[in-house]
Amino acid sequence: AQRVTQPEKLLSVFKGAPVELKCNYSYSGSPELFWYVQYSRQRLQLLLRHISRESIKGFTADLNKGETSFHLKKPFAQEEDSAMYYCALSLYSGAGSYQLTFGKGTKLSVIP
Amino acid sequence: DAGVTQSPTHLIKTRGQHVTLRCSPISGHKSVSWYQQVLGQGPQFIFQYYEKEERGRGNFPDRFSARQFPNYSSELNVNALLLGDSALYLCASSGGQGKTEAFFGQGTRLTVV
Repeated sequence: AQRVTQPEKLLSVFKGAPVELKCNYSYSGSPELFWYVQYSRQRLQLLLRHISRESIKGFTADLNKGETSFHLKKPFAQEEDSAMYYCALSLYSGAGSYQLTFGKGTKLSVIP
Repeated sequence: DAGVTQSPTHLIKTRGQHVTLRCSPISGHKSVSWYQQVLGQGPQFIFQYYEKEERGRGNFPDRFSARQFPNYSSELNVNALLLGDSALYLCASSGGQGKTEAFFGQGTRLTVV
């Protein structure tokens, strides 16, 4: 069965310091991976998807199939990055069928 | 566009009662999924519907059921509520057919007492 692991419940960094939020997955097929973010009092929203290979709000994430990882990185943390971050794996089985498997989330706190 | 809307936003029910949660997807989206998020955990998949048919079911008891209507809105029903059903219930919509980006609603906070 598929699984997503985010080893850190809480990550605190100082403003301007680099950030790395870890995500490991287990899945026998070809994964599609996402990072979702939830800012205080806001709904869950998509931050990144691995197939787009783009940088959003300074964040990047590279899929490493050898290490089964999809870590989220940002070189210089900003206070507005403080939020809850969820790594998710999408299972798409055709005919419009798909589901997301989420990790437990990492709360990022950026210290001014 | 208001995005995905869910109603009600908060709900308090007694053990053994039944509850219905509602979701309206983004206009043009044909896929709706339901997730349960218990405090301190990530969202857990319950159901997915596409074109009014159930396409996926998570590891939840038969007390949980759902349906999708011709206008693609959806209902999640939970019977014989237990204290452990207390959670945030999230609805997500997507375009379907390979368009896997999910857009989430604000959720319904269900408290069972």
